[in-house]
Amino acid sequence: GDSVTQMEGPVTLSEEAFLTINCTYTATGYPSLFWYVQYPGEGLQLLLKATKADDKGSNKGFEATYRKETTSFHLEKGSVQVSDSAVYFCALIRRGAQKLVFGQGTRLTINP
Amino acid sequence: GAVVSQHPSWVICKSGTSVKIECRSLDFQATTMFWYRQFPKQSLMLMATSNEGSKATYEQGVEKDKFLINHASLTLSTLTVTSAHPEDSSFYICSARDAELPGQGAGEQYFGPGTRLTVT
Repeated sequence: GDSVTQMEGPVTLSEEAFLTINCTYTATGYPSLFWYVQYPGEGLQLLLKATKADDKGSNKGFEATYRKETTSFHLEKGSVQVSDSAVYFCALIRRGAQKLVFGQGTRLTINP
Repeated sequence: GAVVSQHPSWVICKSGTSVKIECRSLDFQATTMFWYRQFPKQSLMLMATSNEGSKATYEQGVEKDKFLINHASLTLSTLTVTSAHPEDSSFYICSARDAELPGQGAGEQYFGPGTRLTVT
């Protein structure tokens, strides 16, 4: 079945550091890929998405590129801020399907 | 962007009582809504898929009679936790799916802010 694997957390960085959170997936066909962010005590917010191979999703300085050859969708940000501290979820949905498949989440803490 | 609200944002109830959680899509119509449960520091577990005007589809291991889902309109789905017990304490999150846009792949899901249920 479809699955998403994220790098284990928690991840702790200093402000202005470079961030990478790895995400790989297993799915049939060509799924759409998403990164969601969850701030403490809140629901999930869509951070970015990509719907086909080589697409790059970007938002708020975060980027992720849909790599079909490596079945990956790694999240990157060049200079993180304290306000980026949150849990990040990678997810996929197969074309025509209804259900999102989530990774386990990666907790990110940014220290000033 | 599309907004999904949940009510209440938190609730404390006694064992044996029932609790209803509402999920509303505020500025779009959602033929499909989803209910998730999240334990502390864990990922989301899909409980059920709710389609407007029909019975919900529950995931394996989720008790239908305990977690009653009603999707009576295109903007409202409710989750009722019946005869709640302390082990039902959790963070419940709903999402609503926008209609699939042609040529853009799968329809996007918009998440509510969550409801924290504590059963004493």
